[in-house]
Amino acid sequence: DAGVTQSPTHLIKTRGQQVTLRCSPKSGHDTVSWYQQALGQGPQFIFQYYEEEERQRGNFPDRFSGHQFPNYSSELNVNALLLGDSALYLCASSYGQGVNSPLHFGNGTRLTVT
Amino acid sequence: GQNIDQPTEMTATEGAIVQINCTYQTSGFNGLFWYQQHAGEAPTFLSYNVLDGLEEKGRFSSFLSRSKGYSYLLLKELQMKDSASYLCAARGGGGNKLTFGTGTQLKVEL
Repeated sequence: DAGVTQSPTHLIKTRGQQVTLRCSPKSGHDTVSWYQQALGQGPQFIFQYYEEEERQRGNFPDRFSGHQFPNYSSELNVNALLLGDSALYLCASSYGQGVNSPLHFGNGTRLTVT
Repeated sequence: GQNIDQPTEMTATEGAIVQINCTYQTSGFNGLFWYQQHAGEAPTFLSYNVLDGLEEKGRFSSFLSRSKGYSYLLLKELQMKDSASYLCAARGGGGNKLTFGTGTQLKVEL
């Protein structure tokens, strides 16, 4: 039973560039959430996708956008990269948006912006 | 608003018991989660409380008091592999968005 998978594992970009991160949810899950984790901090909620629509959004600028595909996989896009965007980007999946649905996290993509 | 507080670091001895506390202020609260995160790895789900009381899962237990906005994670029979960051997260504000604390770095010593 495959868990949450993310690609790539590591990425180095230059300021001003654009990046796309990918996520496949755990089998049986249909909801994908994205989190940003800076070094020494807890994960910060970016947004959540369910039924191919953004359902909730955290306090992140419009440079952060996403998409969910019919097979429930998801992409996170970040435009006009800033040095401060350097972080671990975590994808988490769950089933539906109900109360009894803990999030399962992937191993993350480590993004470094130089 | 959302606010989560937990200690930054704790140290305990192998074989002992440790309690990691967490206080939260979350509008529309509907659950308190604990995750374990080893350095460079993904957070791993440990436990989850919606109602007041104690939930036990093997060596790990978690307690919730909704009226006090308080939770703790209890780890028994500590092992060296339990050295990790423990993240407290509250769900609220609609959907299943989690607001995380900064994590408690637990060091287990011989």
